[in-house]
Amino acid sequence: DAKTTQPNSMESNEEEPVHLPCNHSTISGTDYIHWYRQLPSQGPEYVIHGLTSNVNNRMASLAIAEDRKSSTLILHRATLRDAAVYYCILRLQTGANNLFFGTGTRLTVIP
Amino acid sequence: AAGVIQSPRHLIKEKRETATLKCYPIPRHDTVYWYQQGPGQDPQFLISFYEKMQSDKGSIPDRFSAQQFSDYHSELNMSSLELGDSALYFCASSLGTSGPLDTQYFGPGTRLTVL
Repeated sequence: DAKTTQPNSMESNEEEPVHLPCNHSTISGTDYIHWYRQLPSQGPEYVIHGLTSNVNNRMASLAIAEDRKSSTLILHRATLRDAAVYYCILRLQTGANNLFFGTGTRLTVIP
Repeated sequence: AAGVIQSPRHLIKEKRETATLKCYPIPRHDTVYWYQQGPGQDPQFLISFYEKMQSDKGSIPDRFSAQQFSDYHSELNMSSLELGDSALYFCASSLGTSGPLDTQYFGPGTRLTVL
């Protein structure tokens, strides 16, 4: 499985932007970058995905480096409900479709 | 909107007993995934099914088996339960036609406790 590296934990103040980094230096040209998050006592949920270009949706933005070896999930205004473990996952163009959850980033939002 | 349904939500078993976990995917989803999340750990993929056929296999013990039925629901059968099987078991479903683009929708999980 393609490997990603994320900080173990991060903190943010409520209503401030949060930038969650992910390194994926071994990414191949056809791998998609997905982000899922797991709120306390819940199943993981999809956040966003991208291939080369930056992406925006109602939950977050995804900024992808030009060389694609890293990406950043951006929460524009953190709320207490955003406290979760965030997982950066590479989805291979070929092969299995299951999600490989590495060690994500535990985000703490401070009121 | 309908979500993934898992039953039971909680299950307590003794060592060496058997357990059956059920998963009902979102309507029209044809792919089901099973994940195991031990205490303080990240979810680990066990097995998946697409159109009632096993599609991928992860770190699923030989004591476990699973299948997907004609109505697309899936069951995870666990035998000879061990203390280490105590975990949250998540089921996810997707429309399995988009490969790396498909979004997996997770259920609330079944918490299995083996005593």
